[in-house]
Amino acid sequence: EPEVTQTPSHQVTQMGQEVILRCVPISNHLYFYWYRQILGQKVEFLVSFYNNEISEKSEIFDDQFSVERPDGSNFTLKIRSTKLEDSAMYFCASRWDRAGDQPQHFGDGTRLSIL
Amino acid sequence: QKEVEQDPGPLSVPEGAIVSLNCTYSNSAFQYFMWYRQYSRKGPELLMYTYSSGNKEDGRFTAQVDKSSKYISLFIRDSQPSDSATYLCAMRIIQGAQKLVFGQGTRLTINP
Repeated sequence: EPEVTQTPSHQVTQMGQEVILRCVPISNHLYFYWYRQILGQKVEFLVSFYNNEISEKSEIFDDQFSVERPDGSNFTLKIRSTKLEDSAMYFCASRWDRAGDQPQHFGDGTRLSIL
Repeated sequence: QKEVEQDPGPLSVPEGAIVSLNCTYSNSAFQYFMWYRQYSRKGPELLMYTYSSGNKEDGRFTAQVDKSSKYISLFIRDSQPSDSATYLCAMRIIQGAQKLVFGQGTRLTINP
């Protein structure tokens, strides 16, 4: 069964450094998402991406964050200058959905540790 | 009031028991409801997905939605130790990018 893949599984970075998290969504999907889950807390929406542009973003997704779909298969999340509070699991999700009623499928996440 | 509320547990039951997991929500615009299962250090795995009020069954799992009460449930019959995981309810509106709003997650342990 097709799946969303994320790399790396674990990223350790010094505070203030830039980090790029990578995702390969399911191949025929049209909508792409990033969520994060701080340890012990809820999964929280960060941003959605459709037709090569951001369609919605949360208040968490400030100027330090950006997303890109550099080619036909990858979807990336960049954090420009990481903070300690960026430490979390980051999940990528994708959805097919021409009809508007399909669920999102998630990858296994990247655990980001900021030192 | 939180948009989606879910008792975080932990919940521990013996193997073979029927498990009931629940979420309440406050936003009447939510129209699609999902249950995801999350094993430790893994991503959310879709279990059940429903739109209508009423019941939807898939094997040992039954999802129930009551839009009038803003209440959803997941029932697991004949629970197995492999069902031990965190169960997340999630929901979304119809319009827009359709971001998911998650509950806290309920940590479930099935004891052999």
